[in-house]
Amino acid sequence: EIVMTQSPLSLLVTPGEAASISCRSSQSLSDRNGKQYLDWYLQRPGTSPQLLIYLGSNRASGVPDRFSGSGSGTDFTLKISRVEAEDVGIYYCMQGVRNPPWTFGQGTKVEI
Amino acid sequence: QLQLQESGPGLVKPSETLSLTCSVSDDSINNNTYYWGWIRQSPGKGLEWIGSLYNGGVNTYYNPSLKSRVTISIDTSKNHFSLMLTSVTAADTGVYYCARQGWSPGWWFAPWGQGTLVTVSS
Repeated sequence: EIVMTQSPLSLLVTPGEAASISCRSSQSLSDRNGKQYLDWYLQRPGTSPQLLIYLGSNRASGVPDRFSGSGSGTDFTLKISRVEAEDVGIYYCMQGVRNPPWTFGQGTKVEI
Repeated sequence: QLQLQESGPGLVKPSETLSLTCSVSDDSINNNTYYWGWIRQSPGKGLEWIGSLYNGGVNTYYNPSLKSRVTISIDTSKNHFSLMLTSVTAADTGVYYCARQGWSPGWWFAPWGQGTLVTVSS
């Protein structure tokens, strides 16, 4: 099983400023073509998780461009360029390699 | 816009079977483009993938940690799929989500249902 480790576990941010979350996997999430099998999800308070980023850096439909994903291999980062009030919640990374089990990070709680 | 909705008992007694259903808002469950999965969230373990199915239920995949107790099935005529978890304990308490699972390549889950809280208690 691939273990996903996020840091920090909590983050206090100021609106308008940038924020960054790190995710590390216990095994490489890169395939032979350079694709990164890493997703990011946001769970806003009282709601279910929603997909933000897939394939390491591709924004899901409707996701604002202030969200960006980067990284390769075992080290990945989610960046929010200018945090807004609606960005509060818990952010999770998930490895989406070909074979199960699929696993999530512990989550990073972002507060303003 | 595709929507998923979980339903089932909110309280299950220890050693009994947890049964949940996920209703899908359209008939996309009938094509073989996507997988359909269950994920749970508990304070102690965060988000945990339970299992997924594909191809009308011919192909099923379960988390090894739960495999001996889990069955996921599908009823395409009713646009829903189901989860059964046997011999539950307090550790199975949590919010259970169903979700569509896609391959880009790279697996992702979207959208998710709103989730249903299941408490295991006598």
